Amino acid sequence: QVHLQQSGPGLVKPSETLSLTCNVSSDSITNYYWSWIRQPPGKGLEWIGYIFHSGTTKYNPSLKSRVTMSLDTSKNQISLNLRSVTAADAALYYCARTYYQDWGSIEFDKWGQGTLVTVSS
Amino acid sequence: QSVLTQPPSVSAAPGQKVTISCSGGRSNIGNNFVSWYQQVPGTAPKLLIFENSNRPSGIPARFSASKSGTSATLGITGLQTGDEADYYCATWDSSLSAGVFGGGTKLTVL
Repeated sequence: QVHLQQSGPGLVKPSETLSLTCNVSSDSITNYYWSWIRQPPGKGLEWIGYIFHSGTTKYNPSLKSRVTMSLDTSKNQISLNLRSVTAADAALYYCARTYYQDWGSIEFDKWGQGTLVTVSS
Repeated sequence: QSVLTQPPSVSAAPGQKVTISCSGGRSNIGNNFVSWYQQVPGTAPKLLIFENSNRPSGIPARFSASKSGTSATLGITGLQTGDEADYYCATWDSSLSAGVFGGGTKLTVL
C-alpha cells in the first residue's frame, strides 16, 4: 500500500520560500503524476500543480510565477517550492498521487497527511 | 470564488439519502471526468468517486455519482453519522489548463 509522508517547516517568514517534501513508499514515483494541493484554514481545496517523472510540470496559473516542483527518483520523493510567500499562502499543504490524462482527466487517489504552514515573521 | 459550484451545506437524518450537486461549465465538467472526495475533519481528503461514477476499491455502494452536461451529482444512501464530512468535486479545466475543485459541501447527519 503506497504511503505518502510529508515533511518541511511549519513556519515560513513573509517574502521567503516555502519548501516541502513528500516521501513516497511502497511505489515508485516514476509510475505516476504527483500533485500538490493546499487548503487555507477553514476553506476549500486548491490545486497547485503536478509533476511527472519525466520532469514535466504544470502549475495553477494563479501560482505559476512562484511555484517550482521537482522530484528525486533516487530518494523516491517530490518537492514543492513556493517563493515570496505572504499571509495568503498560509494553508494545509498536501501531496497527492495523481491520475492525469491530457485530454482532460485528473484525479487524486492517495494523499499525504498534510503539512500546516504558517506565514509569520 | 471556486470554478465549480457546490451548496455550502446539506443535511439529512440517519438512514436517509442525500445528494450534493456540483455545477460547472463546458471547459470543465462538460468535457472532462469528475471525481469526488470526502474529508472528515482533521484528516486528508479521500477519493470516493473517479471518472464520473466509479468507486475505488473499499468505497461502499452507498456512495454513487453521475454527470449530466455541465453538472455532476454525488448521492449517499443509508446515511450514517460517520458520513459527516466535507465533500468536494474536482475536475480538469481545459481553458485554465488546471485542476479545479468545488468549494466543498458540509454534510450534517442530524
